[in-house]
Amino acid sequence: DAGVTQSPTHLIKTRGQQVTLRCSPKSGHDTVSWYQQALGQGPQFIFQYYEEEERQRGNFPDRFSGHQFPNYSSELNVNALLLGDSALYLCASSRRTSGRVVGNEQFFGPGTRLTVL
Amino acid sequence: KNQVEQSPQSLIILEGKNCTLQCNYTVSPFSNLRWYKQDTGRGPVSLTIMTFSENTKSNGRYTATLDADTKQSSLHITASQLSDSASYICVVSDFTGGGNKLTFGTGTQLKVEL
Repeated sequence: DAGVTQSPTHLIKTRGQQVTLRCSPKSGHDTVSWYQQALGQGPQFIFQYYEEEERQRGNFPDRFSGHQFPNYSSELNVNALLLGDSALYLCASSRRTSGRVVGNEQFFGPGTRLTVL
Repeated sequence: KNQVEQSPQSLIILEGKNCTLQCNYTVSPFSNLRWYKQDTGRGPVSLTIMTFSENTKSNGRYTATLDADTKQSSLHITASQLSDSASYICVVSDFTGGGNKLTFGTGTQLKVEL
């Protein structure tokens, strides 16, 4: 049983470019959350997708957008990249119970290291 | 604003020794508290998860405690090994918006030396 997978593992972009990161959830999971982790910091919540819709969002600008597909996989898109967007982007999957994620553990992928030059 | 604070920020111990990491939180409404281990450049891996009714949970050499009244948690590592060197992150979940939103601490960086 594959866990959460993310691609690519590393990515280098320049300012102003756009990037798409991909995540496949753990088998049996239907909810995907995205996090940004700057060096030496804890992960910061970007948004969460369930039933192909964005359900919750953290304090990130509209440059950050996402999508969830019918197979529960997800993409994170970042437009007009800034130097400050350089970080480890983590995807976590979980399974909803009775309409909300109750105590269900979030399993994290290995992350995508994005460097913006 | 929901916050999770961890201490110490970093810690160096000798192999075989025990250590305790601390976590204080102000998250409401509280759902559960998790401790994760994160190796450098990798995704976090869950160690324990506790709801408000649980005050201790063990996973091998890792034992977590929770005091929901004082909003404090600790992670105790016994007989440390070199492979325990990592960042340990305290994560608190709340029910805001009907979902499972996580608030992360900044982590305690543990280094185990010979």
